[in-house]
Amino acid sequence: DAGVIQSPRHEVTEMGQEVTLRCKPISGHDYLFWYRQTMMRGLELLIYFNNNVPIDDSGMPEDRFSAKMPNASFSTLKIQPSEPRDSAVYFCASSRRNYGYTFGSGTRLTVV
Amino acid sequence: DAKTTQPPSMDCAEGRAANLPCNHSTISGNEYVYWYRQIHSQGPQYIIHGLKNNETNEMASLIITEDRKSSTLILPHATLRDTAVYYCIVRVGGGTTDSWGKFQFGAGTQVVVTP
Repeated sequence: DAGVIQSPRHEVTEMGQEVTLRCKPISGHDYLFWYRQTMMRGLELLIYFNNNVPIDDSGMPEDRFSAKMPNASFSTLKIQPSEPRDSAVYFCASSRRNYGYTFGSGTRLTVV
Repeated sequence: DAKTTQPPSMDCAEGRAANLPCNHSTISGNEYVYWYRQIHSQGPQYIIHGLKNNETNEMASLIITEDRKSSTLILPHATLRDTAVYYCIVRVGGGTTDSWGKFQFGAGTQVVVTP
């Protein structure tokens, strides 16, 4: 089991550019979560999916953020256009119901 | 989900047991207690969870008081690699509610294990 795989590990982009973060959950896990972590706000839940369907996106900061899960083995988090305040570490996690989450190693995003 | 209260930081000597407290006085009957930790620059790591009985696994033990208003995570023999932020979370378990998937991490307890 390779765990939750996120790519890229690091991303540096200029303000206004589109950024796409990718996540491959653990096979057999039917829940997928996107979190963002900053020093100021800690770990924040952005959105989560159950069986590829978005269940709650109330944590998505604004319309510039969007997430998709086209199949059980892949999800994306897109920011368009990106802004410096989006700089953070973005984590993806997956789980089966009533089990603990397994987190990926995260993507460190820097918007300059 | 019920709110949890943890001390912001604590130190522990290497080789000794680390006892991490968590208060969750408003916990409901169907809410589980989960513990995670986050080692610097890594993703959070699941440690253990329980409902009302004490639980033990290869990483730690979880002791939940009889009234379920508080719990303690025990790392039996702390090592330097246990230095991390430890999060205590309570959340709904079981049933069909989709609220199972929604919980937030608090500030946690920064544990520093010293030689």
